Amino acid sequence: AQSVTQLDSHVSVSEGTPVLLRCNYSSSYSPSLFWYVQHPNKGLQLLLKYTSAATLVKGINGFEAEFKKSETSFHLTKPSAHMSDAAEYFCVVSVVNSGGSNYKLTFGKGTLLTVNP
Amino acid sequence: ETGVTQTPRHLVMGMTNKKSLKCEQHLGHNAMYWYKQSAKKPLELMFVYNFKEQTENNSVPSRFSPECPNSSHLFLHLHTLQPEDSALYLCASSQDSADLSYEQYFGPGTRLTVT
Repeated sequence: AQSVTQLDSHVSVSEGTPVLLRCNYSSSYSPSLFWYVQHPNKGLQLLLKYTSAATLVKGINGFEAEFKKSETSFHLTKPSAHMSDAAEYFCVVSVVNSGGSNYKLTFGKGTLLTVNP
Repeated sequence: ETGVTQTPRHLVMGMTNKKSLKCEQHLGHNAMYWYKQSAKKPLELMFVYNFKEQTENNSVPSRFSPECPNSSHLFLHLHTLQPEDSALYLCASSQDSADLSYEQYFGPGTRLTVT
């Protein structure tokens, strides 16, 4: 079985400072990993994904994440926060189920990012 | 319209009512999903349809009944709900639910309140 742990439920940063949102996962099989963002009253939007290619993944809006198998981590970073980055962020792990007929996404509980002026 | 749309955006219903949520995707995808998003809990997968066939029912109570008449439309029929069913219900689509490389595209959700 797979699981995802987002280590911080709330992160607060100042505009222009770096962002670090932490995610650890566990999986019995080779996982795919995703970060999604959800702005208020909106659906989830994909930021980036890792699917066993390069371990450093670049996404939209200047975000990137590094897959570290030895640490079972997939932390999300951005060098300089913008006010528009304020949202909830979800780390997601995806594996094929035991029957091989589908894949299943397991979502973390989310990290609320606040950006202060 | 583009992307994934959901109607209604907000719904208040009594425990004895019957209502339906609608989802439509304009992306040419073959897989569609229903999720439940409750406060303080992780997003929960409810149902998956791939090429109009249901491939996942994540132990959802029978008071929730999905329907997928074609690859572009997905419904969630609701009857005799409980107050704890109040949540944001999200619809998503992807090219193929069996292919890990395809990401899911989400609609804005229906905010459901059961009184």
